[in-house]
Amino acid sequence: GAVVSQHPSRVICKSGTSVKIECRSLDFQATTMFWYRQFPKKSLMLMATSNEGSKATYEQGVEKDKFLINHASLTLSTLTVTSAHPEDSSFYICSATLSGRDTEAFFGQGTRLTVV
Amino acid sequence: SQKIEQNSEALNIQEGKTATLTCNYTNYSPAYLQWYRQDPGRGPVFLLLIRENEKEKRKERLKVTFDTTLKQSLFHITASQPADSATYLCALGMVWDMRFGAGTRLTVKP
Repeated sequence: GAVVSQHPSRVICKSGTSVKIECRSLDFQATTMFWYRQFPKKSLMLMATSNEGSKATYEQGVEKDKFLINHASLTLSTLTVTSAHPEDSSFYICSATLSGRDTEAFFGQGTRLTVV
Repeated sequence: SQKIEQNSEALNIQEGKTATLTCNYTNYSPAYLQWYRQDPGRGPVFLLLIRENEKEKRKERLKVTFDTTLKQSLFHITASQPADSATYLCALGMVWDMRFGAGTRLTVKP
């Protein structure tokens, strides 16, 4: 149980375009999902907390107009990187938690974004 | 500011030996500490959680200790195998405020 699926696993896009990453909880409902960004040999940095049916909460320094998050259902959250630039190239990972268990996170497989 | 340091970027050991990874933190008093495994190009996978009132936790070949006085956690893998080669991350706090270390890349040589 507690499987989180992220899609796509890899994407290459051109500068100026937008790309959408999906995060799905496959066998449970996730009212809250989290989006992280990870640079090589660096720790995961929390970007935003995605809440079903409401606006996402962004961490300080994360541009909410650039990284659009939508959590339209209890099993799906999406992250859209708008007007992508090469510096947006990174590994993006989502996670979700089981209701009532706020101490462990279940992560998706991650998405390697390359902006050319 | 809060800091989480994992003692070394990389650790190489021989198969069958015990691997010991360290996680130190400052300016923080987490109630929970977790360890995750991350393979290249993949998301982290939860391994173990230990609470601040627990000194030690075990799961099969894994053992975690949590010393809130030293602000340190040790993660041990006994009888290590090449399949244990991965990056191991420590994480502090609850999921809505979870902070991660940069990880230690463990290589177990046959």
